[in-house]
Amino acid sequence: NAGVTQTPKFRILKIGQSMTLQCTQDMNHNYMYWYRQDPGMGLKLIYYSVGAGITDKGEVPNGYNVSRSTTEDFPLRLELAAPSQTSVYFCASSFGQFEAFFGQGTRLTVV
Amino acid sequence: GENVEQHPSTLSVQEGDSAVIKCTYSDSASNYFPWYKQELGKGPQLIIDIRSNVGEKKDQRIAVTLNKTAKHFSLHITETQPEDSAVYFCAAGRGGGGADGLTFGKGTHLIIQP
Repeated sequence: NAGVTQTPKFRILKIGQSMTLQCTQDMNHNYMYWYRQDPGMGLKLIYYSVGAGITDKGEVPNGYNVSRSTTEDFPLRLELAAPSQTSVYFCASSFGQFEAFFGQGTRLTVV
Repeated sequence: GENVEQHPSTLSVQEGDSAVIKCTYSDSASNYFPWYKQELGKGPQLIIDIRSNVGEKKDQRIAVTLNKTAKHFSLHITETQPEDSAVYFCAAGRGGGGADGLTFGKGTHLIIQP
């Protein structure tokens, strides 16, 4: 039972490049979330999903897109990377809205 | 939307002493209040949570209290140990109602002095 797995762990992107952050969970959770964590700022919600085929915007969705084609996977897409997207990204999942489990994070630097 | 304030931002205590971290929230519809511990280079780990129908919850050395009238909740760690050193985050959400995730405080860096 791996829990929530994120790949890659680290990535450096050039301004304007695109990439997908992968997230998969093996707990059969229906809810999945993407957060970003900036130094001294806590975590802010980017997008969330309540089940396959359903996604919705969180507090800071601009510059990102998501999809949820299966229960297990919830990839986050950056289309045109900007320096403001330099951050640590965390994926989380939960069964219902309680007890969210987090992955280990992806540290992204945009230069 | 919800706003969560967390204090202090840094807390240094002697090993064996108690530590208290406090949070306030703004949305009276919030009914779920988890606490997360984050070690360097790792993801947040849920350590304890409380729901609005409960005023206090304890798990070994960790306890959380909730005052819904005043909209504040606190984390208490007793008999602190070196492995308690980490960043702690409080959060608030509408579990069981809205699915729009959690709103986090900015974190408290807890330092346990030997």
